[in-house]
Amino acid sequence: GQQVMQIPQYQHVQEGEDFTTYCNSSTTLSNIQWYKQRPGGHPVFLIQLVKSGEVKKQKRLTFQFGEAKKNSSLHITATQTTDVGTYFCAGNKNAGNMLTFGGGTRLMVKP
Amino acid sequence: DTAVSQTPKYLVTQMGNDKSIKCEQNLGHDTMYWYKQDSKKFLKIMFSYNNKELIINETVPNRFSPKSPDKAHLNLHINSLELGDSAVYFCASSQVEGSPLHFGNGTRLTVT
Repeated sequence: GQQVMQIPQYQHVQEGEDFTTYCNSSTTLSNIQWYKQRPGGHPVFLIQLVKSGEVKKQKRLTFQFGEAKKNSSLHITATQTTDVGTYFCAGNKNAGNMLTFGGGTRLMVKP
Repeated sequence: DTAVSQTPKYLVTQMGNDKSIKCEQNLGHDTMYWYKQDSKKFLKIMFSYNNKELIINETVPNRFSPKSPDKAHLNLHINSLELGDSAVYFCASSQVEGSPLHFGNGTRLTVT
């Protein structure tokens, strides 16, 4: 079945440093979605990428979808303590199919 | 206005008991889900319903029974609770299957 892997599992950074999490799928994806879950909270949808090679930005967050549509990354520039949380990618093989979540990357930011 | 609301927020119960978690969405979405999140934060799909009909039933024990009285509600009933059922259970909805998910606040279930 489809598998979605995320690395790293955990990342500690000093406030102001950059952070990147990577997502890799065993199969070509129709689209990829990113979610953020704050400690004690619930996952919140951030963005969806659909096109091969697509890059989208949200303030300090940059999301990329690979050319082969099998991998994706989320990069945060100059992390802040408000960025703390677990970032999940989720993809589906075909539009309208069930999403498969990656294991998440837990980001901790030292002030 | 809460888009996806689930109750209760916390549930502490003893092994062997039966409990229910309720979920309602006011987004007009067609598809609703139950996810289980374990202590390592893995999000695992349990059930998916589209317009009151079961689409996905991942490998979960048949002690778990979802019920969807209408497309805005998806409740989860658990019989004979076990220690390993302790987790956070999230209800979610989406416009159609595979589109972005809106999660409820979660129910933290602790079985003692």
